[in-house]
Parts: sequence; structure tokens; C-alpha cells
Amino acid sequence: AQSVTQLDSHVSVSEGTPVLLRCNYSSSYSPSLFWYVQHPNKGLQLLLKYTSAATLVKGINGFEAEFKKSETSFHLTKPSAHMSDAAEYFCVVSLNTGFQKLVFGTGTRLLVSP
Amino acid sequence: EPEVTQTPSHQVTQMGQEVILRCVPISNHLYFYWYRQILGQKVEFLVSFYNNEISEKSEIFDDQFSVERPDGSNFTLKIRSTKLEDSAMYFCASSEWEGANEQFFGPGTRLTVL
Repeated sequence: AQSVTQLDSHVSVSEGTPVLLRCNYSSSYSPSLFWYVQHPNKGLQLLLKYTSAATLVKGINGFEAEFKKSETSFHLTKPSAHMSDAAEYFCVVSLNTGFQKLVFGTGTRLLVSP
Repeated sequence: EPEVTQTPSHQVTQMGQEVILRCVPISNHLYFYWYRQILGQKVEFLVSFYNNEISEKSEIFDDQFSVERPDGSNFTLKIRSTKLEDSAMYFCASSEWEGANEQFFGPGTRLTVL
């Protein structure tokens, strides 16, 4: 069965410094991988997705993620954090077959200090 | 920009009562989903729905749960007899087509069972 592990429940950075949110996946098949962000009292918004095309995926708001099959990782990065990036981030996996059932990680809360 | 909407934003009910959570998916989308997130836990898939039928459901989605698309716009989740452990945030999502495609999420309904 497919699953994702988010290695950090909380990550704290200073504004202007790089962001790294870690995610490892487990899947028997070729996975699709996503990062979603959830701001307080808001729905889940898609940041970016990997669907077996380019391994380096660029998303909204300057975020990107690299699919590394050898490491079964899909870490999310941003060169310079902004205060508005403070939110909960979810790594998500889905099988590339049939109806799409998303399997969520436990989430990483990103805290950005001035 | 089109978005998924959910009502109510917060529902408080007594144990044993029936609740109906409502969602209006994006108008040209054909696939609909419900997820839930118990406080402090990960987002979990409940059910997917296409062409007026359930296409997949999780083990959580037992006989107490049902989904319906009563008209051309609404998508509802009914819990027949609520239990304390049904307290959670319930997210509706929709997608334009199946497969590795973005699911657009609503802001969620927080259900509190007393």
C-alpha cells in the first residue's frame, strides 16, 4: 500500500532563509506525488505535483520539489521564506491508476519568524 | 477563480443525531470526494463518487455514512447517527477528471459531536 512519511511535525525558519520540508513515500506502483498547503481556516491548496514527467517540479509561490526515486523522497524547498508561508504543509501520494484516492502525510507546520 | 464551497463551516450536534454536510463542487467537475481530519491526526480518504455512484470507499465509510448528489450542484455527506468519534473536520473535493489530477478542496466543515 502507498504511504507518505513527513519527517518533521514542525519546522521553524527565519524570514528570508531557505525552507526544507521533508517527505518520503512508499508505493508499489509509479506514484503521483503532491504537496498541499493549508492556511488557518482555509481549504487545502495544491502547491505542486509530480506525475512522472520532470523530476524537478516547480509550484506556486516559489516552492519546488524534486522526485528522487532512489531515495523515495519528494522534499519541498523554497530559497527564501516569507511570513505568508507560515502554514501546514501536507505531502500526498496517489496511485496512477483508476479513481484517485489521496493518501496524506501527517503534515508539517512551518513557522516563520521575522 | 472557481472554488469548492462547503456549508456549514461549523456544525455542533448531539450524539445519535443525523447530520448532513453540504458541498458545492466546481461546476464542470465530474469526480467528487470526501475526506476527514480528526484533530491532531492526518487527513483520511472517506469516499469518491462519480456518475451518481460511489467509486471507492474506505473502511471508515460504514453504513452510518452515505453520499448523494441530489441536484446538479450539491454533493452531500450524511452521517445517520453521529458518534463522539465522528468529531472531525470534513473536507469535500472535486476534480475534473480521474487519474493523476488536481483535486480542489473546500474549506471544510468542523463537526463537533457532544
